Amino acid sequence: AQKVTQAQTEISVVEKEDVTLDCVYETRDTTYYLFWYKQPPSGELVFLIRRNSFDEQNEISGRYSWNFQKSTSSFNFTITASQVVDSAVYFCALSASSGNTGKLIFGQGTTLQVKP
Amino acid sequence: EAGVAQSPRYKIIEKRQSVAFWCNPISGHATLYWYQQILGQGPKLLIQFQNNGVVDDSQLPKDRFSAERLKGVDSTLKIQPAKLEDSAVYLCASSLERKGLREQYFGPGTRLTVT
Repeated sequence: AQKVTQAQTEISVVEKEDVTLDCVYETRDTTYYLFWYKQPPSGELVFLIRRNSFDEQNEISGRYSWNFQKSTSSFNFTITASQVVDSAVYFCALSASSGNTGKLIFGQGTTLQVKP
Repeated sequence: EAGVAQSPRYKIIEKRQSVAFWCNPISGHATLYWYQQILGQGPKLLIQFQNNGVVDDSQLPKDRFSAERLKGVDSTLKIQPAKLEDSAVYLCASSLERKGLREQYFGPGTRLTVT
């Protein structure tokens, strides 16, 4: 079975604080992809990053960084120096290679509130 | 490049009524997905099309939900009759396979309220 768990339901921080959103996944496939999406109040899902299971290098994009650790089945997302515009719901998702349908399995989401 | 279009953006109906949602994917995208997102949860796949054929509809409540993708472009998702628990945002996504990976692009969604 494939599953994504985001244990943090809601996080509230003050602007300029760093914040890490946790994601733990389960899959028996050896080839899979992990994603993070942002869902602002407007409702549209915005793609942030994709990682394949063979690439464990951490990635940094501006204030965003991602830490992928296969040993702990985790794919955590850190926002450095948070801003009010970062307030949104963030989803971690898994796409396994079996059947190669591209189907995304989403976590429950973490609501991030950044206060000024 | 135009994104995934969906209409209507909002719909309010009474239980036992019927409703239909429309999706126009990004031009050239062969794969189209319909997801249901209940408040406070992550999106859940309802049905996936490859061109005009169904790839996965294992989580579609077929007694009341139906979907079609005529000519492999636009798609319509229908609920008949609606139940209170169908209140959710219905997201459409499309993808273009690139090196074996289907990167999905999402539309703005249709927010359905069943009263």
